[in-house]
Amino acid sequence: NAGVTQTPKFRVLKTGQSMTLLCAQDMNHEYMYWYRQDPGMGLRLIHYSVGEGTTAKGEVPDGYNVSRLKKQNFLLGLESAAPSQTSVYFCASSQSNEQYFGPGTRLTVT
Amino acid sequence: DAKTTQPPSMDCAEGRAANLPCNHSTISGNEYVYWYRQIHSQGPQYIIHGLKNNETNEMASLIITEDRKSSTLILPHATLRDTAVYYCIVYMEYGNKLVFGAGTILRVKS
Repeated sequence: NAGVTQTPKFRVLKTGQSMTLLCAQDMNHEYMYWYRQDPGMGLRLIHYSVGEGTTAKGEVPDGYNVSRLKKQNFLLGLESAAPSQTSVYFCASSQSNEQYFGPGTRLTVT
Repeated sequence: DAKTTQPPSMDCAEGRAANLPCNHSTISGNEYVYWYRQIHSQGPQYIIHGLKNNETNEMASLIITEDRKSSTLILPHATLRDTAVYYCIVYMEYGNKLVFGAGTILRVKS
């Protein structure tokens, strides 16, 4: 039981490039989330999903897109990366009370 | 979701109890108090949650005042591995959108 996994762990992008971050969970959870965390701050919700095939906007959705084609996977896409998107990205999943977080992806946009 | 107020930092001696306060004076009747912690660069980890009764698990105890306007997380015998940022969050169960503040940096010292 791996819990929540994220790939890649690190990535450096040039401004304007695109990429997709993958989150996978093996706990059969309905809900999945993408957060970003900037230095010295708490996590902010980007997008979330309440079930397969659904997505919704969180607090800071601009510049990101998501897809939940399979229940176990939640993809976060950056179509045209900007330096302001340099951050650590955390994925989480939950069934009811507690959210389980992945180890994070550290993204740098130059 | 109600806003929470936590001290920015606290120190605790190893082996002693760590008492982390949280104010949530605007909490509504159906909102729970959740505590998470984040050890350096890792994803947040669920600790405990409660509605109005005091709660205890293998990690910590949660004391909620009778008027529910504040709470205290207690780590009974703090160790160096408990050094982390501790987040107090209030939200509706099944609302599924955690709102993280800046949290409290707990430093456990030998």
